[in-house]
Amino acid sequence: QKEVEQDPGPLSVPEGAIVSLNCTYSNSAFQYFMWYRQYSRKGPELLMYTYSSGNKEDGRFTAQVDKSSKYISLFIRDSQPSDSATYLCAMSGLGGTGANSKLTFGKGITLSVRP
Amino acid sequence: IAGITQAPTSQILAAGRRMTLRCTQDMRHNAMYWYRQDLGLGLRLIHYSNTAGTTGKGEVPDGYSVSRANTDDFPLTLASAVPSQTSVYFCASAGQPDTGELFFGEGSRLTVL
Repeated sequence: QKEVEQDPGPLSVPEGAIVSLNCTYSNSAFQYFMWYRQYSRKGPELLMYTYSSGNKEDGRFTAQVDKSSKYISLFIRDSQPSDSATYLCAMSGLGGTGANSKLTFGKGITLSVRP
Repeated sequence: IAGITQAPTSQILAAGRRMTLRCTQDMRHNAMYWYRQDLGLGLRLIHYSNTAGTTGKGEVPDGYSVSRANTDDFPLTLASAVPSQTSVYFCASAGQPDTGELFFGEGSRLTVL
């Protein structure tokens, strides 16, 4: 089993839809959970960051972590065509990207929001 | 513009040739990373450097080498390129240790024929 599993997609939704993106993981040592967004032919950029279990909201985006189920989600409300991108989950066991920690990424899911 | 600069942006290379991908950052970040991104496989860590003068192996280091002579530069070298090294290569850096935020370059698309 891979350490991090992410639904492969692709996913296509109409504008205004609520989008749910999910990842599961097997390493119980993971404590820091992130979502990166990657536009076509660009490098990934950090979208959301969460420590341990719970929810975090930032505008139309909500990140949710359930450590007991080893499951994380990213919800996008009122999705826009500009949200069309590849979304990658990432996680680490130590202090994020500290000196001795490295991120483990999911494979990414490509989202397309139709106008 | 502050950030990560990668060069070249795209390259076609004959198998067996030596190639160095360049990466420079102007954010004075201690940690730097090289990833390759392949369809269906996602981002995989090749090599990393926690600080100038030190390097470490990631998940897929074979066929690649790195050096970190100073804080700003972190070149990735393919000593003798093979077709399986066809990929998009991303350099990244990290500043604050607890944010989980990597800053990525725009990528270098390498095709090995």
